[in-house]
Amino acid sequence: DSGVTQTPKHLITATGQRVTLRCSPRSGDLSVYWYQQSLDQGLQFLIHYYNGEERAKGNILERFSAQQFPDLHSELNLSSLELGDSALYFCASSVTGLDGYTFGSGTRLTVV
Amino acid sequence: QQPVQSPQAVILREGEDAVINCSSSKALYSVHWYRQKHGEAPVFLMILLKGGEQKGHEKISASFNEKKQQSSLYLTASQLSYSGTYFCGTEMETSYDKVIFGPGTSLSVIP
Repeated sequence: DSGVTQTPKHLITATGQRVTLRCSPRSGDLSVYWYQQSLDQGLQFLIHYYNGEERAKGNILERFSAQQFPDLHSELNLSSLELGDSALYFCASSVTGLDGYTFGSGTRLTVV
Repeated sequence: QQPVQSPQAVILREGEDAVINCSSSKALYSVHWYRQKHGEAPVFLMILLKGGEQKGHEKISASFNEKKQQSSLYLTASQLSYSGTYFCGTEMETSYDKVIFGPGTSLSVIP
C-alpha cells in the first residue's frame, strides 16, 4: 500500500456518460497529480494541484476537469466519454515534487 | 517536449549490466526515474536535479549531464526483480510543476 488511495479500482461505463475518479493523497502530501496511461501513449500528464490550487496543466481535454478539496483529496471528472478515453488513470502525490511521486494503484476506466 | 528514451527494450541475463538513456531537447530542471511492473503502479527510483550530484544505491544509479540535457540510469548485476518498464520523467526549467514522462524502456531479466 503506497498510501495514495484511488477509487474505484475499475469502472465500466457507456459512451456519452460522465464519471468521477477519486484520489486521497498520502498523509502530509500537498500536491496531487493526475496521469492517463493507455497502451499506445504511455503516461500522459493531465493536471497538478497544490494545496487546492491548480499549478500546471497538460494536454487535458476540455471534457475533463479536476479539483482538489480543502481536505486535499482530489477528483477527476470525465464527461461525454468516448471509447478512446478507456485507459488507466493514475493519481500521484508528493510533498514538494522534489521528493518524487507516490502513485496510487490507478482506476481502470473502460468505455463501451 | 516528451523526452526520448533508449533503448525501447532490452533483455538481460541475471548478473548483466544495463544502461537506459533519457534525453530532452529542452533545458531541464530535474529528471525522475520510475519503474513499473506489469499491472502495477509506477514506483519512484530517484530524482536528479540540475546542479545536483549523481544519485543511486549500490546497484541502481543515475547521472544527469546538464550540458547535453541527458540522463542515464545504470543497473548493475541485474536481478530478476529488476524486470519492468523504466520511465524517465523530465521537468523543464521553464515549466515547473509538471513531469513529462518518456515512452518507457522495457527491461526483462532472464535466468
